[in-house]
Amino acid sequence: SQTIHQWPATLVQPVGSPLSLECTVEGTSNPNLYWYRQAAGRGLQLLFYSVGIGQISSEVPQNLSASRPQDRQFILSSKKLLLSDSGFYLCAWSVKAGNGEQYFGPGTRLTVT
Amino acid sequence: GEDVEQSLFLSVREGDSSVINCTYTDSSSTYLYWYKQEPGAGLQLLTYIFSNMDMKQDQRLTVLLNKKDKHLSLRIADTQTGDSAIYFCAEDTGTASKLTFGTGTRLQVTL
Repeated sequence: SQTIHQWPATLVQPVGSPLSLECTVEGTSNPNLYWYRQAAGRGLQLLFYSVGIGQISSEVPQNLSASRPQDRQFILSSKKLLLSDSGFYLCAWSVKAGNGEQYFGPGTRLTVT
Repeated sequence: GEDVEQSLFLSVREGDSSVINCTYTDSSSTYLYWYKQEPGAGLQLLTYIFSNMDMKQDQRLTVLLNKKDKHLSLRIADTQTGDSAIYFCAEDTGTASKLTFGTGTRLQVTL
């Protein structure tokens, strides 16, 4: 069966510090991968998606970047965090020839102080 | 762009039925989905409906689709306290399985 992992689960970082969040998927190959941010009490905002290694599409201009160094690994990064980067970050995956349904990881809660 | 809209909050009594509504934007969406998010957790796929269907039933869940009005609803029969969560509808965009999510409805189940 497929599983998706995210770490860390929670993170408190000062403004201006770097960020690296990791997401890995097990039990599937060549998935589509996604990073979302959910601000407190708000819906989901798609940040990045990837259809393959090294292929990253950015949905919104921002202070963040994403990379996919391996087939089932998706990393969200920032060189200098802003207060507005605080939120709940969710990674998800989908199969390419499926019904489009996405499967979500447990999330990382980031607080920028 | 347009938002996928949902009402923010719904409160029901345990044992009653809950109906969560969603107005989506893209008439060409092939699939529409309902997800559940419990506090501090990721999203869990509850069910989905293919766009050529009007209704889909899955145990206590009934999904109704009105394509003319671009309206989607989720009915939960015999609502339980464990159903308390935020519910998101989503539509596919046809590109890399990207989904557009609604704003989410917080369901509160009272005793």
